Amino acid sequence: DQQVKQNSPSLSVQEGRISILNCDYTNSMFDYFLWYKKYPAEGPTFLISISSIKDKNEDGRFTVFLNKSAKHLSLHIVPSQPGDSAVYFCAAYNAGNMLTFGGGTRLMVKP
Amino acid sequence: NAGVTQTPKFRILKIGQSMTLQCAQDMNHNYMYWYRQDPGMGLKLIYYSVGAGITDKGEVPNGYNVSRSTTEDFPLRLELAAPSQTSVYFCASQGIGNTIYFGEGSWLTVV
Repeated sequence: DQQVKQNSPSLSVQEGRISILNCDYTNSMFDYFLWYKKYPAEGPTFLISISSIKDKNEDGRFTVFLNKSAKHLSLHIVPSQPGDSAVYFCAAYNAGNMLTFGGGTRLMVKP
Repeated sequence: NAGVTQTPKFRILKIGQSMTLQCAQDMNHNYMYWYRQDPGMGLKLIYYSVGAGITDKGEVPNGYNVSRSTTEDFPLRLELAAPSQTSVYFCASQGIGNTIYFGEGSWLTVV
């Protein structure tokens, strides 16, 4: 039973446009959400996070939106750059304080 | 600034062999984790530890063992390697706060 789902395995975007990566979750006990970015042959690196008491968190070109009623979060990257091409994982904390990851979305930003 | 260090980076094992993946962190973090990532899949938690001397099973612990004799080290032991254990393994640590920091990964192939 996947508690965190990223339904789009891949996304292709033109440089300069907006990239929107989506994530859905089923566990209403999740109260903290994170996005990680992963380049090939490297470990995931932390990108941005949001607490369930907020609905938006912004850091430069990256904004995460949280819709608790829909159990949905999204990561917006604007403007997208070729260096943003990577696999993006969303993750959520459950009550046991273990991070649950989605399956990832591969973003390709075309020059 | 080393962070989380994993060794080896790459390893080929024969079916039935055993090996230990090493993980060390220099951030004095209490929480440490081992994840595996299969192609096209998200990260699955194998084992975790909330402090020296304490370990617990994650989502996919079968075929693995861990120990946590010190705060810094969290080795993952594979006994009787099987082809199903071919994967990329990531060690991670977490201090105060919700951000987890990952190592660069260990690519393991069982043939």
